Amino acid sequence: DAKTTQPPSMDCAEGRAANLPCNHSTISGNEYVYWYRQIHSQGPQYIIHGLKNNETNEMASLIITEDRKSSTLILPHATLRDTAVYYCIVRVAYVTGGGNKLTFGTGTQLKVEL
Amino acid sequence: NAGVTQTPKFQVLKTGQSMTLQCAQDMNHEYMSWYRQDPGMGLRLIHYSVGAGITDQGEVPNGYNVSRSTTEDFPLRLLSAAPSQTSVYFCATRLNSNYGYTFGSGTRLTVV
Repeated sequence: DAKTTQPPSMDCAEGRAANLPCNHSTISGNEYVYWYRQIHSQGPQYIIHGLKNNETNEMASLIITEDRKSSTLILPHATLRDTAVYYCIVRVAYVTGGGNKLTFGTGTQLKVEL
Repeated sequence: NAGVTQTPKFQVLKTGQSMTLQCAQDMNHEYMSWYRQDPGMGLRLIHYSVGAGITDQGEVPNGYNVSRSTTEDFPLRLLSAAPSQTSVYFCATRLNSNYGYTFGSGTRLTVV
């Protein structure tokens, strides 16, 4: 799985958009970009994933650059409840033999403040 | 629809004791897996299953057993607990490769 690089922490004012960057310069053509978040003491929560097109769901938007070497997760109107560690993961969608594992790095600690 | 249910939420064991961590899902997900999370280590895959009757090892399987007799349940057994198994354990499931994983709320295990 391609390695990802994220800033260790970010702050965002409540009600503003939170833009979380992720670099994945070694991504392969069949690897997807997944985003999860983990609120303190809870299990990780799936947010969104994409291959090359921008994606949007009820939680967030995912913007992937044309060369696919980086992406940005956008929380359009951050709230205090969005304070969490956000993980960017790059991997193939289906893995056989080696295990369907998710490799979580250190992620970005997003702090949403009043 | 309860999603992924893990029991118990907390457990303290003595070294050498055995126990089973339960994971149940009502979403008819084919994939189920167990992770452990330790400070500074991220999540590490213990065992996984791609369907009923099929299980395989992850990256840290030693000291743990699993079975998958039904689609709904994927219990994790600690045969002889050791202090090194003190951790937070998460069960994760997904329908297929087109979806993300759904995680349970975790079991916090302390082995003394």
